[in-house]
Amino acid sequence: DQQVKQNSPSLSVQEGRISILNCDYTNSMFDYFLWYKKYPAEGPTFLISISSIKDKNEDGRFTVFLNKSAKHLSLHIVPSQPGDSAVYFCAASLNSGGSNYKLTFGKGTLLTVNP
Amino acid sequence: GAVVSQHPSWVICKSGTSVKIECRSLDFQATTMFWYRQFPKQSLMLMATSNEGSKATYEQGVEKDKFLINHASLTLSTLTVTSAHPEDSSFYICSARTAWAGETQYFGPGTRLLVL
Repeated sequence: DQQVKQNSPSLSVQEGRISILNCDYTNSMFDYFLWYKKYPAEGPTFLISISSIKDKNEDGRFTVFLNKSAKHLSLHIVPSQPGDSAVYFCAASLNSGGSNYKLTFGKGTLLTVNP
Repeated sequence: GAVVSQHPSWVICKSGTSVKIECRSLDFQATTMFWYRQFPKQSLMLMATSNEGSKATYEQGVEKDKFLINHASLTLSTLTVTSAHPEDSSFYICSARTAWAGETQYFGPGTRLLVL
């Protein structure tokens, strides 16, 4: 049972345009959401996060939107740059007790930004 | 800030041998460290969670006697793959969490393990 879903395995965007990456989740107990960027054979790099009490968080070119009623979040990258080309993972956090916050990851979306 | 290192970055070993992977938080004290495994074109799967000085908590289906985790200090956790077999070949990634970063985890660069 996949609790975090990224239904688009890949996305191709022209440089300078907006990239929109989507993520859906099923567990309403998730209280924190994160986006990570990952290159092959490297660990994920933290990009941006959002608490479940908010609906939007912005950091430079990156904005994350959260729709709790729809159990949906999205990452917007504007403007997209070729260096943004990577796999983007959506992750959701759940307090498993004793301050251990476990992350559940989606399968990732490969973003390709074409010059 | 929030840099996590892993050593080695890749390792090739013979079947039946044990392999130790180190995970260090370089510029912060990690409240909790996590170990993940990633198969090609798959998501990151959490293997275990460890806190300094206490036993690791393993996810369902992960053999604790196979994957030994030691969290010796607030900056170091080790994963030992005991009696490795070819099916253990994978990309192992650790992450660390600290109190000031809330629920955000910072990841190491990963270790590629190939068991022949």
